Amino acid sequence: ETGVTQTPRHLVMGMTNKKSLKCEQHLGHNAMYWYKQSAKKPLELMFVYNFKEQTENNSVPSRFSPECPNSSHLFLHLHTLQPEDSALYLCASSQSNQPQHFGDGTRLSIL
Amino acid sequence: AQSVTQLDSQVPVFEEAPVELRCNYSSSVSVYLFWYVQYPNQGLQLLLKYLSGSTLVKGINGFEAEFNKSQTSFHLRKPSVHISDTAEYFCAVTPHRGSQGNLIFGKGTKLSVKP
Repeated sequence: ETGVTQTPRHLVMGMTNKKSLKCEQHLGHNAMYWYKQSAKKPLELMFVYNFKEQTENNSVPSRFSPECPNSSHLFLHLHTLQPEDSALYLCASSQSNQPQHFGDGTRLSIL
Repeated sequence: AQSVTQLDSQVPVFEEAPVELRCNYSSSVSVYLFWYVQYPNQGLQLLLKYLSGSTLVKGINGFEAEFNKSQTSFHLRKPSVHISDTAEYFCAVTPHRGSQGNLIFGKGTKLSVKP
């Protein structure tokens, strides 16, 4: 039990579909993050939320849309994705300047 | 801007042998340093961190790392590895200023421990 839960663990979708990834943290942290992990590439930070406010958007295409309704929940809404978007999407949370805790990720495959 | 280089993409080693996974970083400002481990089908787990103080840092599972400012390195070591240490290891840095949210990761080193 990592304290950060991601659902679903696996997702296969077509390029025209709309789906959402969910992340929930039970650690009382005030910051949440989305990362993309592709084969043979460093982890890429996508979005950062502090106290529900987005503080970082690393030039992520608009087909990825984050939502943070409260400090415990983070969503990543997906629409009209491309094959190169197939990857492991990791969620993390942290408290102030403490290290991040990661979920087990959602393995996304785009057909 | 910061960058992290993990010099070895794969490191095969026999059980009970020592191992060193190398990490070098580049930064114009002072940084905090971290090592994370990722087991198959799981997320990243913090192994250890260097924030300040003693340059030799001990982490979980018998791992340790030494911060060398002059060589801008933060190599990870374990004197005797187990099969269960087979995983991918990531070095990461974040600048002192700002939150620890802005982690910059290396590409990772896959450690494969053979019996």
